[in-house]
Amino acid sequence: QQQVKQSPQSLIVQKGGISIINCAYENTAFDYFPWYQQFPGKGPALLIAIRPDVSEKKEGRFTISFNKSAKQFSLHIMDSQPGDSATYFCAASMNSGYSTLTFGKGTMLLVSP
Amino acid sequence: GAVVSQHPSRVICKSGTSVKIECRSLDFQATTMFWYRQFPKQSLMLMATSNEGSKATYEQGVEKDKFLINHASLTLSTLTVTSAHPEDSSFYICSARDSQGMGNEKLFFGSGTQLSVL
Repeated sequence: QQQVKQSPQSLIVQKGGISIINCAYENTAFDYFPWYQQFPGKGPALLIAIRPDVSEKKEGRFTISFNKSAKQFSLHIMDSQPGDSATYFCAASMNSGYSTLTFGKGTMLLVSP
Repeated sequence: GAVVSQHPSRVICKSGTSVKIECRSLDFQATTMFWYRQFPKQSLMLMATSNEGSKATYEQGVEKDKFLINHASLTLSTLTVTSAHPEDSSFYICSARDSQGMGNEKLFFGSGTQLSVL
């Protein structure tokens, strides 16, 4: 199974709130789980990534929570800002992160002022 | 940080013409580059994997004779859309993997090319 299921499809959060985006996967061979941020008309940019040997990784306002047994991982954006409004993609790859990325379908986040 | 330069950012062409899109890694060498296609409000769809000095590997359903990929150097890959038709209109994105990196942890994306075929 190569699929990565992402939810919700869209999300509206008030400024200062917490944005949470979830992803689930089936292939237990996946060993690298990145999140990408994409603004309209631009390519994706790596936001934060995690490997399955840790359950959480935090970088500034962005945190990945990883649940290996449930085969789920999520992105939390603390103190969400209007500048965070973008489309977010989760992804997964295997072979120590060398295989091609399998992307989720994306979540359009709108942070209202 | 590492930069992948993709040109042009936007191109409009007539049906039946060919369009070339360039993808350059500016400050690292990339043995492997990837080409994606993205429709509005949809995810990235991998078209092909390009390895320097060898033929590209195309994903199922992608016409290799229509989407010509050349990866002649460690810093440049090109995608040529031949005999473009309106249905080829899309946002094309390249990515490059740092040869000295740690797999996809050192994978960087270009800024994309919006192709419009009239």
